[in-house]
Amino acid sequence: NAGVTQTPKFQVLKTGQSMTLQCAQDMNHEYMSWYRQDPGMGLRLIHYSVGAGITDQGEVPNGYNVSRSTTEDFPLRLLSAAPSQTSVYFCASSRRDSNQPQHFGDGTRLSIL
Amino acid sequence: SQQGEEDPQALSIQEGENATMNCSYKTSINNLQWYRQNSGRGLVHLILIRSNEREKHSGRLRVTLDTSKKSSSLLITASRAADTASYFCATDLSGSGYALNFGKGTSLLVTP
Repeated sequence: NAGVTQTPKFQVLKTGQSMTLQCAQDMNHEYMSWYRQDPGMGLRLIHYSVGAGITDQGEVPNGYNVSRSTTEDFPLRLLSAAPSQTSVYFCASSRRDSNQPQHFGDGTRLSIL
Repeated sequence: SQQGEEDPQALSIQEGENATMNCSYKTSINNLQWYRQNSGRGLVHLILIRSNEREKHSGRLRVTLDTSKKSSSLLITASRAADTASYFCATDLSGSGYALNFGKGTSLLVTP
């Protein structure tokens, strides 16, 4: 059982480039979320989805887009990369029932030059 | 904005000792969760305590919750070198399950 899989693990971009961070889960979880982790800041919620076709903004959504066409996949798109988006990005999924823990991928380490 | 704050920011102990980390939060919660993050890896769920619970145990872990003080503690007994990691508390304000507020974490170092 793979759990939550994120690709790529590392990426270097130039300012202004766009890219998509991939996230896939094989647990049939309804909920999926994207967080970013910066040094000394903990994790902050970017976007989340409660099911296929439904997405919403979290705490820090600017500069990012998401879509959820299937239950399994929840890609995060950087539209025009900026140095402030240098971070470690984590995808998480959980069951729809309340009081359920989140399952995290191993992250994508992104550097914007 | 961040809801939880862990204390201390860093903790260094020897194998066999107990490690205690604290978390304070600001608003009412549905549940509070503790996660562990090993260097370069994702977060691993350790334990979830609901707002109507006061204490939970899981193996060598003991979590307490005091909603009147808006605080929680994580106790790891008989620490091992493999417990070296960062520990985060996360609050779920509405029980949504998809939107957690994380603290900045406690970095635990357990030396042999």
